[in-house]
Amino acid sequence: DGGITQSPKYLFRKEGQNVTLSCEQNLNHDAMYWYRQDPGQGLRLIYYSQIVNDFQKGDIAEGYSVSREKKESFPLTVTSAQKNPTAFYLCASSRDNEQFFGPGTRLTVL
Amino acid sequence: AQSVTQLDSQVPVFEEAPVELRCNYSSSVSVYLFWYVQYPNQGLQLLLKYLSGSTLVKGINGFEAEFNKSQTSFHLRKPSVHISDTAEYFCAVTLSGGYNKLIFGAGTRLAVHP
Repeated sequence: DGGITQSPKYLFRKEGQNVTLSCEQNLNHDAMYWYRQDPGQGLRLIYYSQIVNDFQKGDIAEGYSVSREKKESFPLTVTSAQKNPTAFYLCASSRDNEQFFGPGTRLTVL
Repeated sequence: AQSVTQLDSQVPVFEEAPVELRCNYSSSVSVYLFWYVQYPNQGLQLLLKYLSGSTLVKGINGFEAEFNKSQTSFHLRKPSVHISDTAEYFCAVTLSGGYNKLIFGAGTRLAVHP
């Protein structure tokens, strides 16, 4: 079964700690994305990558970092510099003009 | 820059009634339009998309949408809803041609009541 996996589904961290969210796809897509979702605000783009070893900032990149060392993987690190990290994080990959989404990770910072 | 406005944050409706979820966009150039559905604590699933051609687009689960260029709208409709349609629905837009990021509306929560 092809698809996008995100792990873990729920993640709890203490304030001031960095945390890395995993995103893996076996769809052979070149482009991958990270979004943040907050209630009533839709999805906002954090980072995207169109090809291996290349990525660009989205609309709300401050306090986040990414890497794209493999085509299949696009991990997101939420750093201690992110002022309000508690949110639902969605990873996506795309072919042509359609984006395919993973199941999401709900991060709660205590 | 493109933007998307979903005119209703919540839409309550009774089972088997018709429903319309409204979406307006702004762009000075050609766009592609999408509707996604999100069930609680899950990712987004594509319902339908408009890239070109016929302005009436049919999607999964009995949904359809009509692209209206003069009114810059892309409203989502279903003639008869089910309890299982209860979810959050997102309209999204991107520039046509090449890679461009997807811009999402704030979402509309559809609540279907028995």
